[in-house]
Amino acid sequence: GEDVEQSLFLSVREGDSSVINCTYTDSSSTYLYWYKQEPGAGLQLLTYIFSNMDMKQDQRLTVLLNKKDKHLSLRIADTQTGDSAIYFCAESWRGGATNKLIFGTGTLLAVQP
Amino acid sequence: NAGVTQTPKFQVLKTGQSMTLQCAQDMNHNSMYWYRQDPGMGLRLIYYSASEGTTDKGEVPNGYNVSRLNKREFSLRLESAAPSQTSVYFCASSAGRDRDTQYFGPGTRLTVL
Repeated sequence: GEDVEQSLFLSVREGDSSVINCTYTDSSSTYLYWYKQEPGAGLQLLTYIFSNMDMKQDQRLTVLLNKKDKHLSLRIADTQTGDSAIYFCAESWRGGATNKLIFGTGTLLAVQP
Repeated sequence: NAGVTQTPKFQVLKTGQSMTLQCAQDMNHNSMYWYRQDPGMGLRLIYYSASEGTTDKGEVPNGYNVSRLNKREFSLRLESAAPSQTSVYFCASSAGRDRDTQYFGPGTRLTVL
């Protein structure tokens, strides 16, 4: 089946940029997503990108998509302590009557003051 | 607009006990999902319901049953709980169209002793 991979941990200093990487395997995915999970909370949708796009920018967030290498990245500019969380990438997979999401294992982002 | 709500927030069971996790959404979404989240494994799909009246197995359905009670509500039942079912359970919903963004509830933390 599909397999989405992420590095487990990233540590940055406050004010620096963070780059979280993700590798996916299903080239037919139409949408790719980034979710954020704060401690003890559910998943919050951060942003998504359509598969025919190379880049999407939304305020401090920049998503880059390299379809040839099946590589997705999330860049957070001017990282703040409030950005400390687990970040999940997910690819959508159309199987049956609805789309399903395949999640990566999550990257824990630790922001040092 | 509450979005996706789940009850209970926490539960402790003994091996062999049964319980039902409740989920409701007020976004008029067609599709609903149940996931479990375990350390280092991301989120894995247990069951989903593409539309009212239908349910299908996901990646890890063994030991669980679901009921799509109506368009708003989708419950997950553990008939005979096992320690391996200790996890955090998330419910999600989506419109069910091509851009299938899923919105998550806050989760239920279940411990089976």
